[in-house]
Amino acid sequence: SAVISQKPSRDICQRGTSLTIQCQVDSQVTMMFWYRQQPGQSLTLIATANQGSEATYESGFVIDKFPISRPNLTFSTLTVSNMSPEDSSIYLCSVDRGTQETQYFGPGTRLLVL
Amino acid sequence: QKEVEQDPGPLSVPEGAIVSLNCTYSNSAFQYFMWYRQYSRKGPELLMYTYSSGNKEDGRFTAQVDKSSKYISLFIRDSQPSDSATYLCAMSAGGGNKLTFGTGTQLKVEL
Repeated sequence: SAVISQKPSRDICQRGTSLTIQCQVDSQVTMMFWYRQQPGQSLTLIATANQGSEATYESGFVIDKFPISRPNLTFSTLTVSNMSPEDSSIYLCSVDRGTQETQYFGPGTRLLVL
Repeated sequence: QKEVEQDPGPLSVPEGAIVSLNCTYSNSAFQYFMWYRQYSRKGPELLMYTYSSGNKEDGRFTAQVDKSSKYISLFIRDSQPSDSATYLCAMSAGGGNKLTFGTGTQLKVEL
């Protein structure tokens, strides 16, 4: 199994600012995923990050708002830019465990934007 | 209409009860069906993974898939307070397609 850590675990931010969330995995993985989990809503994929290539964003999410880095096979960052209260959510990273259907998830970053 | 529908609950049952959790879906291309369990303030963890139709059993947990009805279920036998969590169904068409999640059902097993 993969052990995934995220930093920060939670944060309270002012609107208009940016926050970078880090995701560290204890083993090398090909694909890393970033999700958003809003209250009462389903887990929504933001983007898929492969090492050495640009992240692939899902419909409704753009690189200017959610820039992602993937510098190596064990680490990725997601930045939430120019935040508004609507960005308040839990942000989760995950990695595939052999298949994309079965993923390990990190503990999440709880973000509140005031 | 959402691609995946899941009753959010909360569902409260006494210890030892049989729990039935369900999801319906509209996309006939889905072939992979998963159940994730999420404890409060934790990330989801994979509980059950099924390909196509049929049943799969793992200890106290049984996953059922009925593709003809576009309906999946998770049964928990002899439920325990430690089963109290949110259960998320997820599905995929495979071939690199993304997972589509339900909103989750909150389960509370009471002593």
